[in-house]
Amino acid sequence: DAKTTQPPSMDCAEGRAANLPCNHSTISGNEYVYWYRQIHSQGPQYIIHGLKNNETNEMASLIITEDRKSSTLILPHATLRDTAVYYCIVYPGNTPLVFGKGTRLSVIA
Amino acid sequence: KAGVTQTPRYLIKTRGQQVTLSCSPISGHRSVSWYQQTPGQGLQFLFEYFSETQRNKGNFPGRFSGRQFSNSRSEMNVSTLELGDSALYLCASSSGGGDTQYFGPGTRLTVL
Repeated sequence: DAKTTQPPSMDCAEGRAANLPCNHSTISGNEYVYWYRQIHSQGPQYIIHGLKNNETNEMASLIITEDRKSSTLILPHATLRDTAVYYCIVYPGNTPLVFGKGTRLSVIA
Repeated sequence: KAGVTQTPRYLIKTRGQQVTLSCSPISGHRSVSWYQQTPGQGLQFLFEYFSETQRNKGNFPGRFSGRQFSNSRSEMNVSTLELGDSALYLCASSSGGGDTQYFGPGTRLTVL
């Protein structure tokens, strides 16, 4: 079973920041937080991952709370092409990825 | 660097037939994992191959099998197809050291 809890759906206005929350209260010290997204019927796309510190790349920012029990993925300026299902995954490495149901983000013009 | 490629992209088969799907990982990656995605069950892990050896296996019947070649390319085979095998089959590659997995576009299998 997935070790994360995400809201089933969210809406975001185009051009605004999309903040996607994820709870992972049972995360272990060696487990990373990974984010993927899947645009309709395509393969999941890797977005970003982190262990303890906040991370930023060209796609998004990842904010992990100090107790590591939750995190937020931030898409700074959402576009229509960001409409997708976003998966938050707790991953220790060298094991299969366990996908939950994710959050369906709809970016609205 | 080229991404993960999967062939064919679409496939239609009938019940009882068998099918072979192919996955070419990112250059230098030695691990290939296979996943099945259906509307009802979501994304589920099938198996992982690393250096031509199966390293992890999911909870699927023996009709689902795979192999990996010395160039890290991988194939999965499904024998005696059932209607419920209709799904998007995804492969993901990584270096094998517990790092990020990158997914291919998937093969859409329809069983009639």
